[in-house]
Amino acid sequence: GAGVSQSPRYKVAKRGQDVALRCDPISGHVSLFWYQQALGQGPEFLTYFQNEAQLDKSGLPSDRFFAERPEGSVSTLKIQRTQQEDSAVYLCASSPGLAGFYNEQFFGPGTRLTVL
Amino acid sequence: AQSVTQPDIHITVSEGASLELRCNYSYGATPYLFWYVQSPGQGLQLLLKYFSGDTLVQGIKGFEAEFKRSQSSFNLRKPSVHWSDAAEYFCAVAPSSGTASKLTFGTGTRLQVTL
Repeated sequence: GAGVSQSPRYKVAKRGQDVALRCDPISGHVSLFWYQQALGQGPEFLTYFQNEAQLDKSGLPSDRFFAERPEGSVSTLKIQRTQQEDSAVYLCASSPGLAGFYNEQFFGPGTRLTVL
Repeated sequence: AQSVTQPDIHITVSEGASLELRCNYSYGATPYLFWYVQSPGQGLQLLLKYFSGDTLVQGIKGFEAEFKRSQSSFNLRKPSVHWSDAAEYFCAVAPSSGTASKLTFGTGTRLQVTL
């Protein structure tokens, strides 16, 4: 596709359930980012991949959060034993990763997660 | 630690009026600076960015922003607002080194446009 896509767009989970959120980056983009956007807040960084390597996971709020990008393309953000405070919009962004230049991040529409 | 402050949570302007959205940052060195717009159900779209050089930068949709180092500010402006500009606006910073860097966002300013 032409842009970053995310699925599902909406997810409702009962507290304690595990969820998996998918991101399809722009084809050929090397870098992939996940951000969490709570209601009324700006996005906050969660984790960053360069190809399949997870180079920065400093923003993951707890060990219940896990992200992977096994083939350097599609990425999945998994949240185990969801809690109400996990309710947020999860944004994925990709960038070309061209060496020597700052690369613009292109954002997907997000997945809105509601934990009941 | 780096931070971005957008002091105005909500702004209402009349269509055709001018607009200025404020952004201040706290950073060890001059970072890269960005403004994004987010419409309901849409992803974040980059309006403009500042890396270096001319402190007045032009962006899409008629927006511009001015970097003022002495005030650590990067305010967004538009001379004449259109009803379609109603959205949430985010200021963001990234380290001015490396080619792929995480963004730190402000809390956003919601713009309402009255007809």
